[in-house]
Amino acid sequence: DTGVSQNPRHKITKRGQNVTFRCDPISEHNRLYWYRQTLGQGPEFLTYFQNEAQLEKSRLLSDRFSAERPKGSFSTLEIQRTEQGDSAMYLCASRGLYEQYFGPGTRLTVT
Amino acid sequence: GENVGLHLPTLSVQEGDNSIINCAYSNSASDYFIWYKQESGKGPQFIIDIRSNMDKRQGQRVTVLLNKTVKHLSLQIAATQPGDSAVYFCAESAGYQKVTFGTGTKLQVIP
Repeated sequence: DTGVSQNPRHKITKRGQNVTFRCDPISEHNRLYWYRQTLGQGPEFLTYFQNEAQLEKSRLLSDRFSAERPKGSFSTLEIQRTEQGDSAMYLCASRGLYEQYFGPGTRLTVT
Repeated sequence: GENVGLHLPTLSVQEGDNSIINCAYSNSASDYFIWYKQESGKGPQFIIDIRSNMDKRQGQRVTVLLNKTVKHLSLQIAATQPGDSAVYFCAESAGYQKVTFGTGTKLQVIP
């Protein structure tokens, strides 16, 4: 499978716990994006990397959120001290010259 | 799985008819546009894209039309099939910046 992959696909955690998600982009794509999607809404941009450099962060990305792409390949998104409002689908996308392809997403449920 | 169709505009079409989904975009600087299909519980799936130097692009059973004068984008699906039932999002991008999603439209195909 040469598409974008994300792990885990589902995560259930208790409020206050930390969680980390991983995204493996399409290998030749140097741009990687994180989005969050809640019920009935379109994906909302969180942050974007070009290679290992984080070039833009949304105001949605509070101090509890951090993303890394240390070697310019896979990326991780960590949420510290999770809150119930963090429950959502977290989507990763990678982009070559133009086309942007999404992974299947990680469904986070905070109880 | 997630029902991303809640509270979204809905288009109902008979199987075999053509479908037209419309979208208005807001950023005059956007130069690249994408249509995505999203099924319940899955990440958005790339359907077709168009750059701002074009006004029409055709794929297999799908056509995208771009009217930059009125900032309008449409997706036409020929001979709609039950498998086309999903939520459809238009998205825009300026350069290599983030892709911003519009309000989705739920397409229901009536057998």
